[in-house]
Amino acid sequence: LAKTTQPISMDSYEGQEVNITCSHNNIATNDYITWYQQFPSQGPRFIIQGYKTKVTNEVASLFIPADRKSSTLSLPRVSLSDTAVYYCLVGPHRDNQGGKLIFGQGTELSVKP
Amino acid sequence: DARVTQTPRHKVTEMGQEVTMRCQPILGHNTVFWYRQTMMQGLELLAYFRNRAPLDDSGMPKDRFSAEMPDATLATLKIQPSEPRDSAVYFCASGLSRGRTNEKLFFGSGTQLSVL
Repeated sequence: LAKTTQPISMDSYEGQEVNITCSHNNIATNDYITWYQQFPSQGPRFIIQGYKTKVTNEVASLFIPADRKSSTLSLPRVSLSDTAVYYCLVGPHRDNQGGKLIFGQGTELSVKP
Repeated sequence: DARVTQTPRHKVTEMGQEVTMRCQPILGHNTVFWYRQTMMQGLELLAYFRNRAPLDDSGMPKDRFSAEMPDATLATLKIQPSEPRDSAVYFCASGLSRGRTNEKLFFGSGTQLSVL
């Protein structure tokens, strides 16, 4: 299973763009990259998933370079409510075999006014 | 909105007692994951199921933990006997595994377990 490495914590201010980078040097060819957000006293919540290049949805963008050994979650114009822990997951190819989804330590983002 | 339902939300018990946590996955989902979260260890994968079959439970202490899916609408995680070190928040998540992508997991609100 591909191991992920993220910064333990990050600070930001309201209105700023926040970029959280995750390293996954031994990502496999068929692995997808998924990001989750977790607020205190809640379960994690899916944010975005991608395989290569760029993916954007209403919440965030995900940038994946050509070698796929890292990925960057970009949160535009953060607000106080974006204060949470963000997890990067690299999952094994499904192909009817199922697979583990392992959470790393996550990045604790603190947004200040 | 469809959601994963976990019961109970909170459980306080004494060491040695049996604890059963229940999870109702989202209708139509075919994978169920059990995670445990503590400050020290973070989110640990305990077990997961696909189409009700257990695929991996290597994260569980086998002598005291057991996970089952009696039917597609119910997953259970049982601890017998419970120990203080089992105190944690236990999350259940369900997803729909199809094709080549990883499923998007939907998490329940968790069961906060305290073993005294």
